[in-house]
Amino acid sequence: NAGVTQTPKFQVLKTGQSMTLQCAQDMNHNSMYWYRQDPGMGLRLIYYSASEGTTDKGEVPNGYNVSRLNKREFSLRLESAAPSQTSVYFCASSEDPYFQGGNTIYFGEGSWLTVV
Amino acid sequence: GQQLNQSPQSMFIQEGEDVSMNCTSSSIFNTWLWYKQDPGEGPVLLIALYKAGELTSNGRLTAQFGITRKDSFLNISASIPSDVGIYFCAGHFPWDYKLSFGAGTTVTVRA
Repeated sequence: NAGVTQTPKFQVLKTGQSMTLQCAQDMNHNSMYWYRQDPGMGLRLIYYSASEGTTDKGEVPNGYNVSRLNKREFSLRLESAAPSQTSVYFCASSEDPYFQGGNTIYFGEGSWLTVV
Repeated sequence: GQQLNQSPQSMFIQEGEDVSMNCTSSSIFNTWLWYKQDPGEGPVLLIALYKAGELTSNGRLTAQFGITRKDSFLNISASIPSDVGIYFCAGHFPWDYKLSFGAGTTVTVRA
């Protein structure tokens, strides 16, 4: 089972370059998320999509944009990369955004992004 | 989302030891989740708790949803080398559409 698949796994960018992280899930989930992980900071939510056709800002949205392309796919775009965006990025999905009755969140394997 | 208070931040364990970590929040949660992250991988769900007072086990792991709905703990019994990694708690506020994560507990085996 593929679950949540994100690409690329590793990327090095120069300051000011743009790039898009791709994410797809095959679990027919309604909700999708993008997190970043920095040492000692846990997982911080960048953007989420509670359902197809909607997107909302999380804790740290500045410098990012997202697109919920369809029910399966949710992409994260860095328009003008900055060194502060060096991080590990995780895409995730859940059946719905309410997390009750057995619903949980599933993560991709991560994308390591370095901005120099 | 609001950050949870997760402690300890790190711990060294001796093989065979029982270890415990916990998370607290200033507000009530309706769901607590515990995840483990191995190096170079994404977090993987260990235990999910959906009711206050719920006590759930998964092999050597046991977690409880605090009766006040503001805390949860995870116990690992008879630890083994493959228990090393980062453990995260996550909680869901009833009014929110997303999870809040603790900063993680890094578990290392003492040589």
